[in-house]
Amino acid sequence: DVKVTQSSRYLVKRTGEKVFLECVQDMDHENMFWYRQDPGLGLRLIYFSYDVKMKEKGDIPEGYSVSREKKERFSLILESASTNQTSMYLCASKWGRRGTEAFFGQGTRLTVV
Amino acid sequence: GQNIDQPTEMTATEGAIVQINCTYQTSGFNGLFWYQQHAGEAPTFLSYNVLDGLEEKGRFSSFLSRSKGYSYLLLKELQMKDSASYLCAVRDQRGVGNTPLVFGKGTRLSVIA
Repeated sequence: DVKVTQSSRYLVKRTGEKVFLECVQDMDHENMFWYRQDPGLGLRLIYFSYDVKMKEKGDIPEGYSVSREKKERFSLILESASTNQTSMYLCASKWGRRGTEAFFGQGTRLTVV
Repeated sequence: GQNIDQPTEMTATEGAIVQINCTYQTSGFNGLFWYQQHAGEAPTFLSYNVLDGLEEKGRFSSFLSRSKGYSYLLLKELQMKDSASYLCAVRDQRGVGNTPLVFGKGTRLSVIA
């Protein structure tokens, strides 16, 4: 069974804090993704990585950065958390070849106060 | 730019058939996925289309027309447990290796007795 594990299920942080969200997958997938999911807005792509040390901005990268030093781990960083970053964050991974599905972690509900 | 459109909400009766439509415009196209997401849970994979036509999988079928930028998910013999959000996602070809999975806002399906 493919496993995508996010480090926290719930997180509460203060405005201005630096926040790290970690995601680990155990299937040697090349592609990893970070999304945020908000009511009425659906899943929006923040960043995408298709290989170690490779990263591409998604559709809403502002206020976020990422790190992929090892194939199995993809970290999302909020440099200075703000209240509008309160959201559900979902990590996903998949093999790079066409036709393979993405597997999701359980999500991290982040609240910035 | 990109745009993936699907209806926000649908209601259908137990035992009936429902069709959820998705239209897309993306910079490149490298396959279309349908995911199911129950409230509070991670999305799970339902189907994949890359060529025109119908793919059938038990009670679920998915259709693709690349020339029209159109797909639908067909759910037959609806059950109460099918009440969930259904997410249309396109593998967008943005560059060599840069093929992120981009989602529509999702369709919330309610199955009623």
